[in-house]
Amino acid sequence: DTGVSQDPRHKITKRGQNVTFRCDPISEHNRLYWYRQTLGQGPEFLTYFQNEAQLEKSRLLSDRFSAERPKGSFSTLEIQRTEQGDSAMYLCASSAGGLTEAFFGQGTRLTVV
Amino acid sequence: AQTVTQSQPEMSVQEAETVTLSCTYDTSESDYYLFWYKQPPSRQMILVIRQEAYKQQNATENRFSVNFQKAAKSFSLKISDSQLGDAAMYFCAYRSATNYGGSQGNLIFGKGTKLSVKP
Repeated sequence: DTGVSQDPRHKITKRGQNVTFRCDPISEHNRLYWYRQTLGQGPEFLTYFQNEAQLEKSRLLSDRFSAERPKGSFSTLEIQRTEQGDSAMYLCASSAGGLTEAFFGQGTRLTVV
Repeated sequence: AQTVTQSQPEMSVQEAETVTLSCTYDTSESDYYLFWYKQPPSRQMILVIRQEAYKQQNATENRFSVNFQKAAKSFSLKISDSQLGDAAMYFCAYRSATNYGGSQGNLIFGKGTKLSVKP
């Protein structure tokens, strides 16, 4: 296992288009988190899953955002009708439980033009 | 709501010297965890060190140590014998230790401190 993997690493899209990102966590980890990091800021929590259940969503996660984790394995984060304000690094992390270390992926950098 | 503040946007240190990065936090909880994460340019974030709030002893990991002052809500990171590979963004983060309601394991980050190491 090579750690948390995210795809794509970079995405440039036109405003109004939909985009989808994928995260593959460390295989035995049941928790998966999505964060957003804008320039000059620390990561901000978006949502998390325990197995396939989405247990918490931040108020940052507008109706245009949806996340899934079918079968408790990989996760996808979709942004519909992208806006320039969505430009950011989207980070995925996984952990073996709520109180254990979170391991991060390299992130997907989204640029909306 | 919990907050984490890093008041030093940038810091610089000479190779082999010691540098301290500052972090303060605000919480009404008594049980929590504090972390320092390192994010090198274009690379993933990695955990440097963690501290459990119930432990009085400051955590140490090789050249990295913390000064945890619970009453003052302060959590600074000291890097000794700085190396060129230490150059990165450093983020202080907080996590609640409760596993019910509210935040369940998600991290609250500060804005980060960019550390440069001069050869």
